[in-house]
Amino acid sequence: GAVVSQHPSRVICKSGTSVKIECRSLDFQATTMFWYRQFPKQSLMLMATSNEGSKATYEQGVEKDKFLINHASLTLSTLTVTSAHPEDSSFYICSAGGQRMITDTQYFGPGTRLTVL
Amino acid sequence: KQEVTQIPAALSVPEGENLVLNCSFTDSAIYNLQWFRQDPGKGLTSLLLIQSSQREQTSGRLNASLDKSSGRSTLYIAASQPGDSATYLCAAQTGANNLFFGTGTRLTVIP
Repeated sequence: GAVVSQHPSRVICKSGTSVKIECRSLDFQATTMFWYRQFPKQSLMLMATSNEGSKATYEQGVEKDKFLINHASLTLSTLTVTSAHPEDSSFYICSAGGQRMITDTQYFGPGTRLTVL
Repeated sequence: KQEVTQIPAALSVPEGENLVLNCSFTDSAIYNLQWFRQDPGKGLTSLLLIQSSQREQTSGRLNASLDKSSGRSTLYIAASQPGDSATYLCAAQTGANNLFFGTGTRLTVIP
């Protein structure tokens, strides 16, 4: 199956700093990438959908100025958490989809554990 | 809005037992239903994807069924092994982008 990587796998930062997380599709071109957040013992919640070359679409309740998403190429999307606060501590997972979104599964990255002190 | 529920939240079984995990969804207008496995602190591994026109999918010891009209799916695991211990998530896809996840069932298989 297709491989999606995320970097870093784990990051600890001080409150007020910004953190960038990268999501890469290693062996296929992903026209669409998704960013999810997962709090402890909860399920994944979609934060935003990013399409290559266009602005991301954010889910209701997700601040677009706080969670900056860039999808500059067909293999790379980045999520920047700006001015991070302890409540932003979570597990962030990206996924990538191919051309046939309705029939294709999304391929998930291994996740990034963000801890804000 | 689609709501996905998984029962039970946690399950412990002795090795070798067959087991069933349940998933229900409120909006039957789905494109597909997927089952994923998540190990602690890790990402998701896709196990089975059932298209809306299908009734079931099988992969090895795993069998997933889908009853769209009743909004239910089950994941059957045969002859469970300790390596099957993980959290199992189901997700209903509606539209081109939206995967709605359940809260998962945490499975522990006791050697």
